[in-house]
Amino acid sequence: GEDVEQSLFLSVREGDSSVINCTYTDSSSTYLYWYKQEPGAGLQLLTYIFSNMDMKQDQRLTVLLNKKDKHLSLRIADTQTGDSAIYFCAERVGGRRALTFGSGTRLQVQP
Amino acid sequence: ETGVTQTPRHLVMGMTNKKSLKCEQHLGHNAMYWYKQSAKKPLELMFVYSLEERVENNSVPSRFSPECPNSSHLFLHLHTLQPEDSALYLCASSQDPPGQGDQKLFFGSGTQLSVL
Repeated sequence: GEDVEQSLFLSVREGDSSVINCTYTDSSSTYLYWYKQEPGAGLQLLTYIFSNMDMKQDQRLTVLLNKKDKHLSLRIADTQTGDSAIYFCAERVGGRRALTFGSGTRLQVQP
Repeated sequence: ETGVTQTPRHLVMGMTNKKSLKCEQHLGHNAMYWYKQSAKKPLELMFVYSLEERVENNSVPSRFSPECPNSSHLFLHLHTLQPEDSALYLCASSQDPPGQGDQKLFFGSGTQLSVL
C-alpha cells in the first residue's frame, strides 16, 4: 500500500541548515517530490528525484534518496525566514497519474 | 503564479446550499485533479480526469460532483455538505501520459471552504 510519513514540525535558526525527512512504503515509487506550501497558498513544486538517483542538488536544496530504507530527505542550506512554510513529501507509484502526499512538515525559521 | 487558477479563494456555505468551485489551467495539460487538504492530514486525492474522462474516483461522497467540460477547466459542484467537509480544496494539472522529465503536478492556490 501507499503511505508517506513525515515529522510534523522542525525549528531552526536563520543561517543554519534544515533537514526534513520522509519515509515511504511503496517500493515501486518511480518519482519522489518535495512541495512547499506558504500560508494561504497552494503547493509549489520545489524539486523531484527519479528513483534510480541517490542525490539531486539545486542551488540551496539537496535531495537524498535511500531506496533501500525508503527514506527521502530535503536539506536546505543557509535557511532564511522566507523558507518558513509547510514542506510536503510525495511519491508517484508506478504508472499512476496522481501523487500520494505525506502530512507535511512545518518548518519554522527563527531570526 | 503556477498557471492553475482557482475561484473563489474563500467560500462560506450553509449545509443546504449548492455551490461550485472552478479551476482553470493555462499550461496545455490534459489531466486535472481535485485534492482535499484538511488540517494535519495528508492531502486526499478526490478525482482525476484525463482527456476530460474521469479516471479515478476515490470513494468520495456523492455530495461532491466533479465536471470537466474540456481539458482546461474543472469544476467541483457541492450540494448539502457537512461541517466536516470544511477544508482547502486544491486543483492540480499535469501532462498525461507524462513524458521524460515531465512528471510534475502543478497546483492552484486552493479554495478555502467553510461549511456552517
